[in-house]
Amino acid sequence: DAKTTQPPSMDCAEGRAANLPCNHSTISGNEYVYWYRQIHSQGPQYIIHGLKNNETNEMASLIITEDRKSSTLILPHATLRDTAVYYCIVRVEPGANNLFFGTGTRLTVIP
Amino acid sequence: GAVVSQHPSRVICKSGTSVKIECRSLDFQATTMFWYRQFPKKSLMLMATSNEGSKATYEQGVEKDKFLINHASLTLSTLTVTSAHPEDSSFYICSAEPDGSYEQYFGPGTRLTVT
Repeated sequence: DAKTTQPPSMDCAEGRAANLPCNHSTISGNEYVYWYRQIHSQGPQYIIHGLKNNETNEMASLIITEDRKSSTLILPHATLRDTAVYYCIVRVEPGANNLFFGTGTRLTVIP
Repeated sequence: GAVVSQHPSRVICKSGTSVKIECRSLDFQATTMFWYRQFPKKSLMLMATSNEGSKATYEQGVEKDKFLINHASLTLSTLTVTSAHPEDSSFYICSAEPDGSYEQYFGPGTRLTVT
C-alpha cells in the first residue's frame, strides 16, 4: 500500500525553512498529494494538498515536480510547535476512502 | 475548519471488560467515518470504515466481533472494544470527511489502556 517514501527524520533550526521531501513515483493521474502532520499524542492535522500546481496556504507551501513523481512540503519559518511527524499521502480525489499513512518524517525543530 | 471530537480521551479498563469510544462530527454530516489504531512509535493503521445505516467494513486481520462499530447517525460513530485484553491497549483515532470536501478531519484520539 505504501505509495510514498519519506526520510525517517529531519532536523530544522527554529526560524528557518523546513523542506520535507516525498517521493511518489507511481502516482496516478487522478491522485492528489496530501500532507498531514501528527503532533505527539494528537490526531493528525491536515496541512495542504495539491494535484499538479504548487499550492500555498497559511501553514505551508507544496511544491510538486512537473512529472509529479515527487513533492516538497515547505514550512517557511519553522517554530518549536512544528515538531511533529509529517505524512505525505497520495489519494484519489475526495470521496469516501481512507488515507494510507506510511512511516512519515519526524521533524524536530531545534531552538 | 470542521471539528471531529472523540470521547473519552483516555480510558483505563480491566482485562475482560468492554469499552465504548464515541466519534462525533460536530459541524458537518458524515456518511462515512474511519477508525484507525496507532501503537507506540508506529503509524496509523486503518481498522475499519464505518458506514451510516449499514455494516462497517473491516480491514484484514481486524476482528469484527471484537471491535464493534455502530454508525447510528450522520454525526456519530461508536467503536466498542469487547472483552479487552492488554494487547488492545493503543491509541484509537477516528476521522470523517464532509461531502465534497478535500479535507479529512481527525479526532483527537482515545488512549486505551487495558490492565
